[in-house]
Amino acid sequence: QVQLQQWGAGLLKPSETLSLTCAVYGGSFSDYYWSWIRQPPGKGLEWIGEITHRGRTRYNPSLKSRVTISVDTSKNQFSLKLNSVTAADTAVYYCARGQILWFGELSSPGAFDTWGQGTMVTASS
Amino acid sequence: DIQMTQSPSALSASIGDRVTITCRAGQNIDNYLAWYQQKPGGAPKLLIYKASSLESGVPSRFSGSGSGTEFTLTISSLHPDDFATYYCQQYNSYSFTFGPGTKVDIK
Repeated sequence: QVQLQQWGAGLLKPSETLSLTCAVYGGSFSDYYWSWIRQPPGKGLEWIGEITHRGRTRYNPSLKSRVTISVDTSKNQFSLKLNSVTAADTAVYYCARGQILWFGELSSPGAFDTWGQGTMVTASS
Repeated sequence: DIQMTQSPSALSASIGDRVTITCRAGQNIDNYLAWYQQKPGGAPKLLIYKASSLESGVPSRFSGSGSGTEFTLTISSLHPDDFATYYCQQYNSYSFTFGPGTKVDIK
């Protein structure tokens, strides 16, 4: 049974860098896509970006200039950094596992079938 | 980005009711649609993927249908555990987008 355990600082000042890490326990790390998703208080879900075990990344264009997602395959972990945070970045941040869809030799991400517990990050002076 | 809409935004229902939630995509997403259930303070839980495939361990009272731009999630007989917010999500193209959610509460 795969589990995602995430951690990171929960209180930041504006202009600081958000940093979160997600560890994957159980299951394969190489056969899935790994994403970060956030949810502002009382609002809906926003996909931030994803990474594969090979380090290939895709980002939401609305956040691309401030986001870096990285992977450490030796530890089965992936991380999120978001620069220059403002109050608008206040949200619960989730890591999630994306199913993999195969089209011949090409793959594409599918639905998010496993989620971390979430980390509330507040950006406030 | 592909815009996702859901209707209704909220509904009140009784135990045993049949509940249907509609999700519409701003363009054709084939059947690359998922449904999630989220309870207060918890992470979303995958219910349905590829529009109509039931995730392992999810009760069979949940079902999904549709393709292209219009999709539905149906709960055949509402259980006490089903009061939650439901989100649809497209994964046809980047960047992935979610619907705004439908809150199901007790009548």
